[in-house]
Amino acid sequence: RKEVEQDPGPFNVPEGATVAFNCTYSNSASQSFFWYRQDCRKEPKLLMSVYSSGNEDGRFTAQLNRASQYISLLIRDSKLSDSATYLCVVNPGGSYIPTFGRGTSLIVHP
Amino acid sequence: ETGVTQTPRHLVMGMTNKKSLKCEQHLGHNAMYWYKQSAKKPLELMFVYSLEERVENNSVPSRFSPECPNSSHLFLHLHTLQPEDSALYLCASSQDPPFTSGRFSRVNEQFFGPGTRLTVL
Repeated sequence: RKEVEQDPGPFNVPEGATVAFNCTYSNSASQSFFWYRQDCRKEPKLLMSVYSSGNEDGRFTAQLNRASQYISLLIRDSKLSDSATYLCVVNPGGSYIPTFGRGTSLIVHP
Repeated sequence: ETGVTQTPRHLVMGMTNKKSLKCEQHLGHNAMYWYKQSAKKPLELMFVYSLEERVENNSVPSRFSPECPNSSHLFLHLHTLQPEDSALYLCASSQDPPFTSGRFSRVNEQFFGPGTRLTVL
């Protein structure tokens, strides 16, 4: 099992839709979790950290499920500008070297 | 502006050339990274420097040679590369240094530079 797994997609959704991505991780001792966004031919940028209690930032909600070892990202009221690749990042326990997933591609169409 | 700059942004080189990639961070961070991103593959961590010391070398071929002269600058020296080394090379920095014995450092977010798109002919 890969350390961090994501469905590469693409997820094709209309504007205004709600879409959710999951990311599973194999190391149960993982300590920190993040979602990054990467636009085409650009560098990754932090979207949000994922806390045990879950966190919300506007239309974006991130959740952590330690028992099932996955994190999720929910995007409500999708905008065209949300089209990007969403990277899941997990920090394994005992190290702060982050492990990236291969990313999930989202395409929001009119 | 992310506070991390990389030069050059694009580089085309032959297999016998020697070139260097440069990264500079203006954020006062203590750790810097080199990543390789190839098409349809996840980011591959190449090197990590903490407080100017290399703490991780992820089995990278010796044709890639990193250098970290100070906490703000990171170089990646390239020589005798192969066409399969063509990729986007990303530099990143973060506030905290890596885990050290007896002390866990809570990971902070990484700030990425714009990358160098490398083509090896």
